[in-house]
Amino acid sequence: GESVGLHLPTLSVQEGDNSIINCAYSNSASDYFIWYKQESGKGPQFIIDIRSNMDKRQGQRVTVLLNKTVKHLSLQIAATQPGDSAVYFCAENNAGNMLTFGGGTRLMVKP
Amino acid sequence: KAGVTQTPRYLIKTRGQQVTLSCSPISGHRSVSWYQQTPGQGLQFLFEYFSETQRNKGNFPGRFSGRQFSNSRSEMNVSTLELGDSALYLCASSFRLAGGTHTQYFGPGTRLTVL
Repeated sequence: GESVGLHLPTLSVQEGDNSIINCAYSNSASDYFIWYKQESGKGPQFIIDIRSNMDKRQGQRVTVLLNKTVKHLSLQIAATQPGDSAVYFCAENNAGNMLTFGGGTRLMVKP
Repeated sequence: KAGVTQTPRYLIKTRGQQVTLSCSPISGHRSVSWYQQTPGQGLQFLFEYFSETQRNKGNFPGRFSGRQFSNSRSEMNVSTLELGDSALYLCASSFRLAGGTHTQYFGPGTRLTVL
């Protein structure tokens, strides 16, 4: 079946630095993408989304970039804080409300 | 507005038993989706219910089933539990219209352990 970035790398950054988390997707027909943050013992928390007719979308301290040519998503977090430490998942929305998730990236913020 | 709630939060069962998990969506949300999360397989889609009808189904055996009530609350059931069913079961709700895509908001999950 379709897959989205099935890896779980770890990104370690210094507090205050910018973080960039990457994700590859395989379904070129997907038109909606979401980034979620999951802290230990909690469910995924919505961060930001982007539709396929956009290349970039900004939120509070976060930016999502979409490159449809190479089927790549990235999440940029500005001025990373200890509270940003979590596992981050990208997801693509397939038919209806069916999300296909990537494997996740663990972000560790060093004080 | 209250978030998605799931009960129970933790559950321990033995092989062969069955289990029912419950999900209450965000008020006004009519779509409820269920996902299974394991360390080995990650987050996988189980099924989606909208207006009391199953709209989409993932690649899981028939032991996994669900339903949705008229108030949009949903339950999922797993029969004849296997050790491999141990997982975090997540429910997500969204304000879904007949077409289009809408953000899914997740509950805290139910941690199921099968012994």
